[in-house]
Amino acid sequence: KAGVTQTPRYLIKTRGQQVTLSCSPISGHRSVSWYQQTPGQGLQFLFEYFSETQRNKGNFPGRFSGRQFSNSRSEMNVSTLELGDSALYLCASSRNRDRGFYEQYFGPGTRLTVT
Amino acid sequence: GENVEQHPSTLSVQEGDSAVIKCTYSDSASNYFPWYKQELGKGPQLIIDIRSNVGEKKDQRIAVTLNKTAKHFSLHITETQPEDSAVYFCAASNIGGGADGLTFGKGTHLIIQP
Repeated sequence: KAGVTQTPRYLIKTRGQQVTLSCSPISGHRSVSWYQQTPGQGLQFLFEYFSETQRNKGNFPGRFSGRQFSNSRSEMNVSTLELGDSALYLCASSRNRDRGFYEQYFGPGTRLTVT
Repeated sequence: GENVEQHPSTLSVQEGDSAVIKCTYSDSASNYFPWYKQELGKGPQLIIDIRSNVGEKKDQRIAVTLNKTAKHFSLHITETQPEDSAVYFCAASNIGGGADGLTFGKGTHLIIQP
């Protein structure tokens, strides 16, 4: 079974621009979560989507947003990029927490560099 | 919100010896505790997890223990091998409590000395 895929793998943007990252979950997984990983702050939860609805949200500004499509694929968007947004953005998928499937499986991440 | 502390930040052990990584959490409502291994250039890989109704879980050379009273949980790796070298993260979550995102520790860089 194919794992979580994320595109693109690497991205360089300029301050003030916006960026969209994409995530395809494991087949059959309906929940997609996004995390930001930086050397200083570590791994931090951004938000989770299930059945095209945002179910949970972490403590990030409104510049960070996401969405999920009917096929469970998800995108996250960061507007008005700041230097501090440089990070590895990770997507994780899981089957269905409501039925006891808590395990989250991570993709390889998208490395975003803001200059 | 939840806060997870992880120790040590770096752990160096001889090949064949055991390694223990410890985490504490602050929210007594947390009920799910996974451990992840992250190798350079890769995303975190789930290696074992434990739920709050269980005190210990084993999977071959890896075991996790949970002490709900003390709010701490530990990862034990026995008979360490070179391929165990990586960064390990503990995490906690309150599944079903409205804050289901994982809260991670800062990570432990495990080095297996040949």
